[in-house]
Amino acid sequence: AQSVTQPDIHITVSEGASLELRCNYSYGATPYLFWYVQSPGQGLQLLLKYFSGDTLVQGIKGFEAEFKRSQSSFNLRKPSVHWSDAAEYFCAVVWGGSNYKLTFGKGTLLTVNP
Amino acid sequence: KAGVTQTPRYLIKTRGQQVTLSCSPISGHRSVSWYQQTPGQGLQFLFEYFSETQRNKGNFPGRFSGRQFSNSRSEMNVSTLELGDSALYLCASSAGLAGVADTQYFGPGTRLTVL
Repeated sequence: AQSVTQPDIHITVSEGASLELRCNYSYGATPYLFWYVQSPGQGLQLLLKYFSGDTLVQGIKGFEAEFKRSQSSFNLRKPSVHWSDAAEYFCAVVWGGSNYKLTFGKGTLLTVNP
Repeated sequence: KAGVTQTPRYLIKTRGQQVTLSCSPISGHRSVSWYQQTPGQGLQFLFEYFSETQRNKGNFPGRFSGRQFSNSRSEMNVSTLELGDSALYLCASSAGLAGVADTQYFGPGTRLTVL
């Protein structure tokens, strides 16, 4: 079955440190890849998405992600984390074909220490 | 533009009852999708509607159903509620033809508790 894996359930970083959240997806047809963020006051919000073309995509709030087909990965990065980035992050995938379903990973909870 | 709105925000029901949740998409958006979020299963896709037609469906039992009206507002219905249906139900809308593959805008959710 097609699946999305976020290996890290919880990550803690210090403010100002760099961040990388991992996401792997099972092999399938050309995927559409997304990162969403969910914070208590903001609901679920799209950070960035990849459909095709340049494998390094830029998103909102200073985030970027890189698609690596050979590794079936779509890792999210930020060079310097701010306290306001504390939230839960979800990787999501839509596999091409006639049945478009958005499949989410289990999420990574990010804690930011001052 | 106003965002996606969901009503009610909180709901308490007992086992065996049925419930209807409502979602109003962003004006002009024709695709509405529904998701269930629980601590154990995470975020799961329920179904997607576009122009009053269900285009895609997730792996949920037939107790979960939905519909979309001509003004793109959508309702989701769960019949014969079970304890495991307790969850946050999220609705999302998008403007394009690609539905869930488009940029989706999520509502705040309806928190359903089944006792």
